[in-house]
Amino acid sequence: DIQMTQSPSSLYASVGDRVTITCRASQSISSYLNWYQQKSGKAPKLLIYTASSLQSGVPSRFSGSGSGTDFTLTISSLQPEDFATYYCQQSYSTPRSFGQGTKLEIK
Amino acid sequence: EVQLVESGGGLVQPGGSLRLSCAASGFTFSNYWMSWVRQAPGKGLEWVANIKQDGTEKYYVDSVKGRFTISKDNAKNSLYLQMNSLRAEDTAVYYCARVVGGSYYWFDPWGQGTLVTVSS
Repeated sequence: DIQMTQSPSSLYASVGDRVTITCRASQSISSYLNWYQQKSGKAPKLLIYTASSLQSGVPSRFSGSGSGTDFTLTISSLQPEDFATYYCQQSYSTPRSFGQGTKLEIK
Repeated sequence: EVQLVESGGGLVQPGGSLRLSCAASGFTFSNYWMSWVRQAPGKGLEWVANIKQDGTEKYYVDSVKGRFTISKDNAKNSLYLQMNSLRAEDTAVYYCARVVGGSYYWFDPWGQGTLVTVSS
C-alpha cells in the first residue's frame, strides 16, 4: 500500500500570506495526486486533481505541483475562508490513500 | 446541481449491523463508479469501498473485507453500504462520494456524511 505523508501537520498563517503544504508518497505515483479542503464539520471539497489541475469553481490562488513522490499545494494569498484542513490523496493504486491532513490556522 | 445525501447512521452495539444509504441527484447515477470514505472522530480520511457503474466490480479496504458490502441501485439512484460485525474502530462519519476521472480517479463531490457510532 502507498503511504502519504503531509507536512507540516499544522500551520499558522495570516491573511495575505503565501503558504505551501507538502505531500510525499512512499513510492512514485506519477501525477496521480489530488488535494481536498475540509472545513470544520463539513465534507471534503476537491481543490486540485492530477497534481496541478484546478477544479472548476476553485479560486486561482490555489495551485498544485509535483510528480513522482513529492507534491505541493500552494495558496498564493490566504483569505479568511481558506482556514481549514487540507488532505492529499493518491489515485495511483488501490487502496486509495490520504495524507494525515494539514490544519491551517489563523496566526 | 449534483447532490449526495447520506442516511442510516446511528448508535449500534459491537457485533451489530447497520445499512447506510446515499441518495444521488443532479447527474446520471448509472454512469459513475461510487465510493464510501470514512473519517473517525478527530482523524483523517480513509477510503472504504468502491463500486463500478453496473455493480459488477467492488473493491474494499482490507479492514472491512468480509464485513461490509457496497451496492448500488441505479433505478433508485442510490448507493448503499451494509455493515456487519461492527467494531469500535468502525466508528466514523461515513461519506459517499462520486468517482470521477477514469482509472486514476478522484472523489467529487462528497455527501454531508452520516455518523456511525459503535459502542456498548
